[in-house]
Amino acid sequence: SSELTQDPAVSVALGQTVRITCQGDSLRSYYASWYQQKPGQAPVLVIYGKNNRPSGIPDRFSGSSSGNTASLTITGAQAEDEADYYCNSRDSSGNLVVFGGGTKLTVL
Amino acid sequence: EVQLVESGGGLVKPGGSLRLSCAASGFTFSSYSMNWVRQAPGKGLEWVSSISSSSSYIYYADSVKGRFTISRDNAKNSLYLQMNSLRAEDTAVYYCARENDIVVVPASVWFDPWGQGTLVTVSS
Repeated sequence: SSELTQDPAVSVALGQTVRITCQGDSLRSYYASWYQQKPGQAPVLVIYGKNNRPSGIPDRFSGSSSGNTASLTITGAQAEDEADYYCNSRDSSGNLVVFGGGTKLTVL
Repeated sequence: EVQLVESGGGLVKPGGSLRLSCAASGFTFSSYSMNWVRQAPGKGLEWVSSISSSSSYIYYADSVKGRFTISRDNAKNSLYLQMNSLRAEDTAVYYCARENDIVVVPASVWFDPWGQGTLVTVSS
C-alpha cells in the first residue's frame, strides 16, 4: 500500500482551476514531486522541489505544501491537461521512494 | 539530448528470470543515482529499486527484495535489473529514471527523465 494518498479522480471544467492533493507523513519533511502521465506514455515531471517547473512545462502548473499535504494546482485547465497525475517523495526513513496512487484528471 | 532507453522485456514463465537494461546518454551517468519504477496494467506507479552513483547505496521495495538485483556499469552508461523468481504480479511496464534531489531540509527527490519503458509479462 502507498504511503502517499491521492484522490482517485478529479474533474474540472475547461479553463477553470483544479487542485490535486497528496497526503502523507513524509511530506512533513520532504517536498512532493509531481508527474503527468497520458495513456501509453511514460510519466513526465511537472513540478519538483518547493515549486519548480522543468523547462517546457506551462506556468499554469504550480505546487504548494502545508503540513502533511502537497498540492498540484492547474490554473486555467486545458483539454491537453487531461491525464493521470502522481506525486512522489522519500518515505519516512529517507532511503526509499514512494508514489501516490495517482489521480485521474478529467477536463470537462 | 538526455535520453534513457530500456530493453530486455518480454514474456517469461512464473519462476523464471529476466534481465532488463537501461542505456543512458546525454548526461554524466556516473554522477547520478538511478531508479527502476514499474506500472502494472491499469495500475499506478510503483517504485522498485534505486542505486547510488557509485553503487554504494542500494535499496529495494519490499515487494521485490530478495528476488531482484539492481546494478550499473558507469563505463558503459548502463543500468540493469536482474529479476529472478518472477511472479504473475511482477507483470508491468518497467521504467528506468534518473534521480535528482535536494538534500537540504525540506528535502526533495524527483525523477527526470524517464525511459519509454519495457514490458515484462509473467505468464505460463
